[in-house]
Amino acid sequence: DMPVTQSPSSLSAYVGDRVTITCRTSQSIGTYLNWYQHKPGKAPKLLMSRASNLQSGVPSRFSGSGSGTHFTLTISSLQPEDFATYYCQLGYSAVYTFGQGTKLEIK
Amino acid sequence: QMQLVESGGGVVQPGGSLRLSCSASGFDFKIYNMHWIRQAPGKGLEWLTVMSYDETHKHYADSVKGRFTISRDNSKNMLFLQMNSLTTEDTALYHCGKEGFDCWGQGTLVIVSS
Repeated sequence: DMPVTQSPSSLSAYVGDRVTITCRTSQSIGTYLNWYQHKPGKAPKLLMSRASNLQSGVPSRFSGSGSGTHFTLTISSLQPEDFATYYCQLGYSAVYTFGQGTKLEIK
Repeated sequence: QMQLVESGGGVVQPGGSLRLSCSASGFDFKIYNMHWIRQAPGKGLEWLTVMSYDETHKHYADSVKGRFTISRDNSKNMLFLQMNSLTTEDTALYHCGKEGFDCWGQGTLVIVSS
């Protein structure tokens, strides 16, 4: 299994803040990386595919970037409904490893 | 509307077996690869296994290789996960997911305990 390093593991921020979450892989995966939002009691929600493709219905304050081994998810202006846990995930060569998760909490 | 519904979870003793099912609707199941993913209590998401749409390819995470077996029945829009030699480390909420991960089920809870 290919490891994925996601950081930070937790993050406290105010409504309106800009936040960035990072994922790094040990080998180049092109842009085969997804981002998810996960709230307690709900199924994870796909936010971004192929590193930067915003899924239908996801607000434009979410953006993704990166390729190769370094990827970022940015939320430009946090809203109350954005407080959740976020995961990155590889989608490369039948390897679908998730990052460790970033718990985003209200400050 | 795409929907996945898991079933078959429950309490099982260490060393035991369990078979999970996932019923799909709202999309053409037979043309999509399908996955199983789990989340242990207080832990993150863990991808487990994928089966190709035509059943010719399967891949497993190292943590379940040799113990878990994925299968499907395209005539019934069903996905399965046979879990053997269960340990307490397998206690988790088990989700099925569609290729592309744009549709997930709510999950079925498996508790391995004596």
